Amino acid sequence: EAQVTQNPRYLITVTGKKLTVTCSQNMNHEYMSWYRQDPGLGLRQIYYSMNVEVTDKGDVPEGYKVSRKEKRNFPLILESPSPNQTSLYFCASSPRTSDQPQHFGDGTRLSIL
Amino acid sequence: KNEVEQSPQNLTAQEGEFITINCSYSVGISALHWLQQHPGGGIVSLFMLSSGKKKHGRLIATINIQEKHSSLHITASHPRDSAVYICAVRLLGTSGSRLTFGEGTQLTVNP
Repeated sequence: EAQVTQNPRYLITVTGKKLTVTCSQNMNHEYMSWYRQDPGLGLRQIYYSMNVEVTDKGDVPEGYKVSRKEKRNFPLILESPSPNQTSLYFCASSPRTSDQPQHFGDGTRLSIL
Repeated sequence: KNEVEQSPQNLTAQEGEFITINCSYSVGISALHWLQQHPGGGIVSLFMLSSGKKKHGRLIATINIQEKHSSLHITASHPRDSAVYICAVRLLGTSGSRLTFGEGTQLTVNP
């Protein structure tokens, strides 16, 4: 089954403790992206990747890192999480660019205390 | 002013009604997406448009490039259509392949 898998689905952690949210897709898609969703602000793009070793900033990249060492994986790294990064995070992929239908993961709800 | 604006923010309808959700954007775009977010949080892509009109079942999406406007129509609405509908665009003039989102329209369809 074609899917985008995020882990964990839920995480409660404390300020400053490094964490990684994994994202994996099995559709051989070149484009992958991370978004955060906050009440009143909607979805905002954090980082995206056009292919292996090619990443670029979205609208809200501060406090996040990403890597794309393999085509299927696009982890989101919070080196020193802070409470303002408490949010609902989505990973998505598409065959080549953002001009194609996006396939979304189920979301990861992060709470940083 | 947001680059992508949706209206209305909230919409309540009776089962069977025809529904229209609007999306306007301020600059040229290369593509526009309509997404559906279920009450459980999952997001599904409904349509991707660069021109004209697309139809899938009871859903119809249209786009007018000159007027910088898109509409999502739902015919014969049903309570299972209750969800948040989100418009997203790739703005021309922005680098790479970024997407910019509207704030979403919360639709509630009552039986």
